[in-house]
Amino acid sequence: EVQLVQSGAEVKKPGESLKISCKGSGYSFTSYWIVWVRQMPGKGLEWMGIIYPGDSDTRYSPSFQGQVTISADKSISTAYLQWSSLKASDTAMYYCARHGSSALDYWGQGTLVTVSS
Amino acid sequence: QSALTQPASVSGSPGQSITISCTGTSSDVGDYNYVSWYQQHPGKAPKLMIYDVSNRPSGVSNRFSASKSGNTASLTISGLQADDEADYYCSSYTSSNTHWVFGGGTTLTVL
Repeated sequence: EVQLVQSGAEVKKPGESLKISCKGSGYSFTSYWIVWVRQMPGKGLEWMGIIYPGDSDTRYSPSFQGQVTISADKSISTAYLQWSSLKASDTAMYYCARHGSSALDYWGQGTLVTVSS
Repeated sequence: QSALTQPASVSGSPGQSITISCTGTSSDVGDYNYVSWYQQHPGKAPKLMIYDVSNRPSGVSNRFSASKSGNTASLTISGLQADDEADYYCSSYTSSNTHWVFGGGTTLTVL
């Protein structure tokens, strides 16, 4: 069974750093792209970026380029999304999803990130 | 502002059919057959309902169907059920440097 399991909810202060994770199982982790999606409170879905764990090829949506870093450790089938300096506006639910041939076919349960002083 | 335009809300009674539109441009919906639709219940992760314009993943009810004409894709849900009440998002590949875009989402209310 394909599963993506994300790390737990985080509460951080502005300016702090954070790295959240997404562990894949039940399939060849290195053979599928992983996408990160942001959903701000009460809002819609936004593509943040995509990584191919096989060779760490990474592309970012222009809105998120320079704001976050996407990485992966294929030895432990885990993708990451990290911030070096959080802002209150980073408060959101973050989802990872597997990119099948042309769509996001499996999703993680989401990681809620709250940034507040 | 989302790249793909969806109605904010639609509604229907149990047993009826509804259609949700998703309007893009010739750089996304109009140029690629990589349109997908996702269902999201409150507090839950999105679920893939349609891929490649009109294909249903295994396990998705055949009450869900979709199509595309020009720059507009559409999702139709027939025989509405209470559990269909959710947010629905379309997505498309795009030739812009965002690579992929979502619609703003449509809230379906089953009356």
